[in-house]
Amino acid sequence: KNEVEQSPQNLTAQEGEFITINCSYSVGISALHWLQQHPGGGIVSLFMLSSGKKKHGRLIATINIQEKHSSLHITASHPRDSAVYICAVRWSRWSGGSNYKLTFGKGTLLTVNP
Amino acid sequence: GAGVSQSPSNKVTEKGKDVELRCDPISGHTALYWYRQRLGQGLEFLIYFQGNSAPDKSGLPSDRFSAERTGESVSTLTIQRTQQEDSAVYLCASSLGVPGTSGGSSYNEQFFGPGTRLTVL
Repeated sequence: KNEVEQSPQNLTAQEGEFITINCSYSVGISALHWLQQHPGGGIVSLFMLSSGKKKHGRLIATINIQEKHSSLHITASHPRDSAVYICAVRWSRWSGGSNYKLTFGKGTLLTVNP
Repeated sequence: GAGVSQSPSNKVTEKGKDVELRCDPISGHTALYWYRQRLGQGLEFLIYFQGNSAPDKSGLPSDRFSAERTGESVSTLTIQRTQQEDSAVYLCASSLGVPGTSGGSSYNEQFFGPGTRLTVL
């Protein structure tokens, strides 16, 4: 079964710390998404990537296709970054995927204390 | 412009009753997705609509679940004879379209609604 694993499940940090959230997956993918879900709120797409690295403000997402691994980094973390961060992948055709269906990790709950 | 909207935001129902959840996608988005998020679990794919193509219903957990979409606009997810295990947040998302397996196109970016929290007593 194709799977997506995230670590850690829970992460508590002090304001200003550098944060790393990890995502690993079992077989080949065509794209990986990082999503943010605030408590009681909807889900916002942060990044979609299939190779290399993307940066938006204090957020950086990297992916290593050979190692089947992606990381989401937050620099100079702030309490407003507190949310659940979700990794989702679109499996490649030869991994049995479609060009639209996503498989989601269980999420990482990040709490940034002031 | 308006984002994806869903209604109701919360629904409490008794076991055995039918419920209908509504999703209004972003105007012009041809692709629409329904997901379920149970407590402590990741999102699960339920169903996918793309234009006038036959929907992909492979994620629907049982024949009590069904969904419809009117053209490229509103979609409704219906759960018949609700069970307690149906309690979850039901999320809808839409995207411009799906042109292929390329990971770089903005066509693939999904915009999520706020969800409907369903509680079955």
